[in-house]
Amino acid sequence: AQRVTQPEKLLSVFKGAPVELKCNYSYSGSPELFWYVQYSRQRLQLLLRHISRESIKGFTADLNKGETSFHLKKPFAQEEDSAMYYCATARSGNTGKLIFGQGTTLQVKP
Amino acid sequence: EAGVTQFPSHSVIEKGQTVTLRCDPISGHDNLYWYRRVMGKEIKFLLHFVKESKQDESGMPNNRFLAERTGGTYSTLKVQPAELEDSGVYFCASSPRRWENIQYFGAGTRLSVL
Repeated sequence: AQRVTQPEKLLSVFKGAPVELKCNYSYSGSPELFWYVQYSRQRLQLLLRHISRESIKGFTADLNKGETSFHLKKPFAQEEDSAMYYCATARSGNTGKLIFGQGTTLQVKP
Repeated sequence: EAGVTQFPSHSVIEKGQTVTLRCDPISGHDNLYWYRRVMGKEIKFLLHFVKESKQDESGMPNNRFLAERTGGTYSTLKVQPAELEDSGVYFCASSPRRWENIQYFGAGTRLSVL
């Protein structure tokens, strides 16, 4: 079965510290991986997707097929990064359903 | 461009009552999705419309849930009768193209069944 695992419910770091939000997936076939973010009192929005290979707001994520991971990283956390982060997967090239992990709350302390 | 809109933002009902949630996707988006997040759990897929047709309804929990998308525009999700375990946040999302899998989410409807 398709599954996304985010092992940390809460990650708390100080401003300026590096951040890594972990995501592991299980998917038979060719998956597409995403990170979605929900800031306080805002809607869920796409942060980045693996096929774009881009950096958004200083965040990057590399798909590691050997480890079936798609960890989200940022070298220097900012207070405005505090939010709920969801890793999600879907079948590649298909407009089908997203399968989400349980989410990780990132708290960046001043 | 207006985003995905959902109404109401919050609904409080008693067990056994009926509630209807509405979603207006971004104009021109053929794909419309319903998800829900029950307290403490992950966001789970409910169903997917392509225009007015149900493409995938594998996530619908039981026959108390009925989704429609008349005319391929807005969609409604009716829960009848509501049970306590239906409480949660219901999200709607839309997507424009079959080959570009980016979904745009609404703000969600928080449903509280007492």
